[in-house]
Amino acid sequence: EAGVVQSPRYKIIEKKQPVAFWCNPISGHNTLYWYRQNLGQGPELLIRYENEEAVDDSQLPKDRFSAERLKGVDSTLKIQPAELGDSAVYLCASSPRGQTSGNTIYFGEGSWLTVV
Amino acid sequence: QKEVEQNSGPLSVPEGAIASLNCTYSDRVSQSFFWYRQYSGKSPELIMSIYSNGDKEDGRFTAQLNKASQYVSLLIRDSQPSDSATYLCAVIFMDTGRRALTFGSGTRLQVQP
Repeated sequence: EAGVVQSPRYKIIEKKQPVAFWCNPISGHNTLYWYRQNLGQGPELLIRYENEEAVDDSQLPKDRFSAERLKGVDSTLKIQPAELGDSAVYLCASSPRGQTSGNTIYFGEGSWLTVV
Repeated sequence: QKEVEQNSGPLSVPEGAIASLNCTYSDRVSQSFFWYRQYSGKSPELIMSIYSNGDKEDGRFTAQLNKASQYVSLLIRDSQPSDSATYLCAVIFMDTGRRALTFGSGTRLQVQP
């Protein structure tokens, strides 16, 4: 079974440029998460989807970040314009429907963003 | 004060020794507690989960939870160089209705051959 797939794995952009990250969750997983992990820190939740509905986006900086999950499967996280402080790893994760236990949250390999 | 706190380390132990990793969490309604391992450049992977007070053992790993002290720990017996990684403590808090993991900043473990 394929895991959570993310792309691109690595991205280097100049500040003020836009960037987008794509995530394909594990088949059948209705809950999708985007986390951001800064160097030397633990992951921090940006947004959580249940199917296509964003049920928790309180930590998403809405002035420059946006996310969507059309048809309740793949998801895209966008940053526009990017700032130097956005350099981080963006982790996508998914879990089965109705599961709130961390036992069943699976992470992708992450998208590494460097803003110069 | 952070919601989940860990000593950043590095914690250095010799091969074969017991590594003890600690985590404290804020006084909120909490349900579930987890330890994730993260190798450099990789994504977090679940090692242990614990839900009730006491100890839970899985192979060389033992998780310990003390809700009264708001404390959760991970013991790694017979530490191996392959255990060298960052260990992330994570908690699911229930009071805000958020159903997502809140992570600590991680403790870096170095096992010396």
